[in-house]
Amino acid sequence: GAVVSQHPSWVICKSGTSVKIECRSLDFQATTMFWYRQFPKQSLMLMATSNEGSKATYEQGVEKDKFLINHASLTLSTLTVTSAHPEDSSFYICSAGGHSSYNEQFFGPGTRLTVL
Amino acid sequence: GQNIDQPTEMTATEGAIVQINCTYQTSGFNGLFWYQQHAGEAPTFLSYNVLDGLEEKGRFSSFLSRSKGYSYLLLKELQMKDSASYLCAAVDSNYQLIWGAGTKLIIKP
Repeated sequence: GAVVSQHPSWVICKSGTSVKIECRSLDFQATTMFWYRQFPKQSLMLMATSNEGSKATYEQGVEKDKFLINHASLTLSTLTVTSAHPEDSSFYICSAGGHSSYNEQFFGPGTRLTVL
Repeated sequence: GQNIDQPTEMTATEGAIVQINCTYQTSGFNGLFWYQQHAGEAPTFLSYNVLDGLEEKGRFSSFLSRSKGYSYLLLKELQMKDSASYLCAAVDSNYQLIWGAGTKLIIKP
């Protein structure tokens, strides 16, 4: 089956620093990758959709200058949380699509970000 | 607007059967997913329905009625490890996933 990895699994940082999260599709080429944020006891919230080689499409209310997304290759997308603040603490999950004939998304294991 | 409704929480007994319902309202429809998510982990795929009817996969089955905007996930022979949140997500006309808030399933011995 399709495997998506994320790195790091968890990160703790000081307020004001930037954090980069990597999402890799290990055994398939992902034309589209999705970034989600999930707060405790809530559902997934789509932040942005990125297509390889083009700019990401951000959902309403998501600051593109704060959450920088780069999808430079068919197997790698990165999310950089710039000048992180405590309210950015959350579970960030990426998923990759484009593997099968229907629109199944394969999720990475997630990254838990804690901003002190 | 687009909307997905599913119960917030359900409780069932080990060995029993439970049905988790999901109703959706989307602009266009290109299928419906069910995902399982254990606490602190990412969702894992359970099923995808795009045609009406029941699809069975081991202990789990998923049903879809497009005319009613309704789906359910049926879990049989419940095990303690089935305690998790179950997320319903519909695919709209733009192939975007519209996520429900999830149903937390609690299994009791």
